[in-house]
Amino acid sequence: EAGVAQSPRYKIIEKRQSVAFWCNPISGHATLYWYQQILGQGPKLLIQFQNNGVVDDSQLPKDRFSAERLKGVDSTLKIQPAKLEDSAVYLCASSPRQGGFSPLHFGNGTRLTVT
Amino acid sequence: AQSVSQHNHHVILSEAASLELGCNYSYGGTVNLFWYVQYPGQHLQLLLKYFSGDPLVKGIKGFEAEFIKSKFSFNLRKPSVQWSDTAEYFCAVLSGNMLTFGGGTRLMVKP
Repeated sequence: EAGVAQSPRYKIIEKRQSVAFWCNPISGHATLYWYQQILGQGPKLLIQFQNNGVVDDSQLPKDRFSAERLKGVDSTLKIQPAKLEDSAVYLCASSPRQGGFSPLHFGNGTRLTVT
Repeated sequence: AQSVSQHNHHVILSEAASLELGCNYSYGGTVNLFWYVQYPGQHLQLLLKYFSGDPLVKGIKGFEAEFIKSKFSFNLRKPSVQWSDTAEYFCAVLSGNMLTFGGGTRLMVKP
């Protein structure tokens, strides 16, 4: 099966600029996750979707981050405006249903550098 | 809030050495436990998982992990590592809907 697709692979922007990341999950996977992985740390959940509804966005900095999954398939994560501390790898993952009973399948991530 | 601690940030071993990576979590309720691995240049992959039953779980590539409820631990082991095991290893805990990762352990195996 095709894996989780993410684009772009790399992005360099200046602080205060905006950026968007795209994710296409594995076909048929209802649950989609966005994680932020700062260098030297483990992935931290930003937002979790079940189909096109938000299940958990408690750790999403909503003043600057937004995410949507309009048709319950692919998703975009946006940062506006970016700060230096947003430099990280942004990982998208999907699973057939909610929860870890169906293991998460991760994409390769988008590495963001904010200068 | 739950947390996951991985004690070793960097581990360097020679081939054929035995491996044990520590993982402790803080949560008193029912949890499901995972180890993920990230090989250089690749995405995170599931190594093994524990849901219930036998606390000794066997995963891919000869890895195993033991859930010790009284110690809130889920340590990863391998009797004899290979150069190809060089990777970063993440412990993760599922509680409710939230999967929380530890900070990761970077393993380097010298040939």
